[in-house]
Amino acid sequence: DAEITQSPRHKITETGRQVTLACHQTWNHNNMFWYRQDLGHGLRLIHYSYGVHDTNKGEVSDGYSVSRSNTEDLPLTLESAASSQTSVYFCASSGGQGANGELFFGEGSRLTVL
Amino acid sequence: GEDVEQSLFLSVREGDSSVINCTYTDSSSTYLYWYKQEPGAGLQLLTYIFSNMDMKQDQRLTVLLNKKDKHLSLRIADTQTGDSAIYFCAVTWHTGTASKLTFGTGTRLQVTL
Repeated sequence: DAEITQSPRHKITETGRQVTLACHQTWNHNNMFWYRQDLGHGLRLIHYSYGVHDTNKGEVSDGYSVSRSNTEDLPLTLESAASSQTSVYFCASSGGQGANGELFFGEGSRLTVL
Repeated sequence: GEDVEQSLFLSVREGDSSVINCTYTDSSSTYLYWYKQEPGAGLQLLTYIFSNMDMKQDQRLTVLLNKKDKHLSLRIADTQTGDSAIYFCAVTWHTGTASKLTFGTGTRLQVTL
């Protein structure tokens, strides 16, 4: 069965360190998204990609970067982790046009920045 | 941009109906979704409605859309303990040639015995 997986599921890091969260999907979807989930804010879009070599900033992109070198993977990098980036991060993919269509979510990566 | 608002918490008794409400601001919204998030898991699509519809029913779920008031609701009939979760409203809207998806803050549904 096709799926979307995130790793690591849990990570503790220190302020200033670089962190990369992996996202891998086997749906062959063109569209991939990274969200963060925080209490009182719901899900907020960090970055998204509509295809290989395409990346776009979302509403909370500062301090994060992504790259899309193939269809399956969209890694999220925190260049210099900050305590404000402690959150649960969700990767999602979809096969629809743009923002339309069902999103398939990974199980989340909980990041703690000390 | 689009603002999507939900109340944060709802408590119902098992067997009662639950109604989760959502309001949005952009009248160009095309697709409106309800996602469910169980503890420790990602979101899963429950149902969706296209903006030219007023109502959609799927087993115990009924979605109502009032475009005039920009109000979306999800009714769960005969609520069960397995329905305890966070429910997110999400709305697709358009800016120029691009489409965007905005999630609400989520409503935590607690089902009591």
